[in-house]
Amino acid sequence: NAGVTQTPKFQVLKTGQSMTLQCAQDMNHNSMYWYRQDPGMGLRLIYYSASEGTTDKGEVPNGYNVSRLNKREFSLRLESADPSQTSVYFCASSGAPDTQYFGPGTRLTVL
Amino acid sequence: AQSVSQHNHHVILSEAASLELGCNYSYGGTVNLFWYVQYPGQHLQLLLKYFSGDPLVKGIKGFEAEFIKSKFSFNLRKPSVQWSDTAEYFCAVNRNTGKLIFGQGTTLQVKP
Repeated sequence: NAGVTQTPKFQVLKTGQSMTLQCAQDMNHNSMYWYRQDPGMGLRLIYYSASEGTTDKGEVPNGYNVSRLNKREFSLRLESADPSQTSVYFCASSGAPDTQYFGPGTRLTVL
Repeated sequence: AQSVSQHNHHVILSEAASLELGCNYSYGGTVNLFWYVQYPGQHLQLLLKYFSGDPLVKGIKGFEAEFIKSKFSFNLRKPSVQWSDTAEYFCAVNRNTGKLIFGQGTTLQVKP
């Protein structure tokens, strides 16, 4: 039982490049989330998916897209990376409006 | 704006000192409250949570928190900290929507 897994762990991009961050959970949770963590700002919700087939914007969705591929997987895509997107990205899942379980994070640097 | 505020951004304590980290939220109505901890280089882990019932909740590693509805507060406490408690602590709130709103975080440094 791995919980929530994320790939990659680290990534460096140049401005304008695109990439997809992958997230998977094996806890049969309905809800999944993407956050970014920046110093002094806590975690801010980018997008979330309350159930398979649905996605909704969070607090800071601009510049990102998401795909809920199936119940297990929820990916985050940066179409054209910007230095302002340098951050640590966390995926999380939950079984209800309840405790969220977090993945290990992806540290992204955009040059 | 509705928010979650953590008053202490950086706290430095000696081992065995008592800890209290403040958290206030500005949402009305029913809320669920959480404290998460992030040890250096690791992901967030749940320390404790409050949904209803006894407003004094106990979590892992000797932590506890008290929900005071009239003050919109959910402060985290520990009677005697250890060096291994060095971490960043986040208060978070949700309103049964599943979406968590986090405070800015408090970095705790415990000196051995």
